[in-house]
Amino acid sequence: DVKVTQSSRYLVKRTGEKVFLECVQDMDHENMFWYRQDPGLGLRLIYFSYDVKMKEKGDIPEGYSVSREKKERFSLILESASTNQTSMYLCASSLGRDTYEQYFGPGTRLTVT
Amino acid sequence: GESVGLHLPTLSVQEGDNSIINCAYSNSASDYFIWYKQESGKGPQFIIDIRSNMDKRQGQRVTVLLNKTVKHLSLQIAATQPGDSAVYFCADLPANTGNQFYFGTGTSLTVIP
Repeated sequence: DVKVTQSSRYLVKRTGEKVFLECVQDMDHENMFWYRQDPGLGLRLIYFSYDVKMKEKGDIPEGYSVSREKKERFSLILESASTNQTSMYLCASSLGRDTYEQYFGPGTRLTVT
Repeated sequence: GESVGLHLPTLSVQEGDNSIINCAYSNSASDYFIWYKQESGKGPQFIIDIRSNMDKRQGQRVTVLLNKTVKHLSLQIAATQPGDSAVYFCADLPANTGNQFYFGTGTSLTVIP
């Protein structure tokens, strides 16, 4: 079974703090994704990565950056957290090579006060 | 831009009845679709997928129907069980977007024992 793990289930940070969310997958997947999930808005793509050191902006990249130094690990960084970044953050991975199914982690509930 | 919507935000069904959850998409170039199930406190879990060259696909107790003419997708769950209670959402993958899915907002299914 594919396993996607996220470093924290719940996180509370203050406005202006730098926040790191970590995601690790154990199935040698090529692609990794960061989404945020908000009520009534569905999942929105923040960033994704096709390969190590590669990254592409999704629909809502503003205020976020990412890092993929190793194939199995994809980090989401909030450079200066703001209250409107309070959300559920979901990481996903997919095999790539014309296989599109995405496997999700359990999510991190981030609250910025 | 691309939008994906579900027809009903909530659905209640009696245990043992069949459930039908609907989804509409806007991009006629979408060529791959997925249904996900998300239980409370967990990340989304893959249920079933379908490619645009098909109009029906069956899994275990689930069937997905695709009507490309009206850009409509449905998920049918046979003999609904209490464990089926969750939020269900569809996602579509427009051609030439790489791996960028667009997700619907979800229908919350409640199964009444």
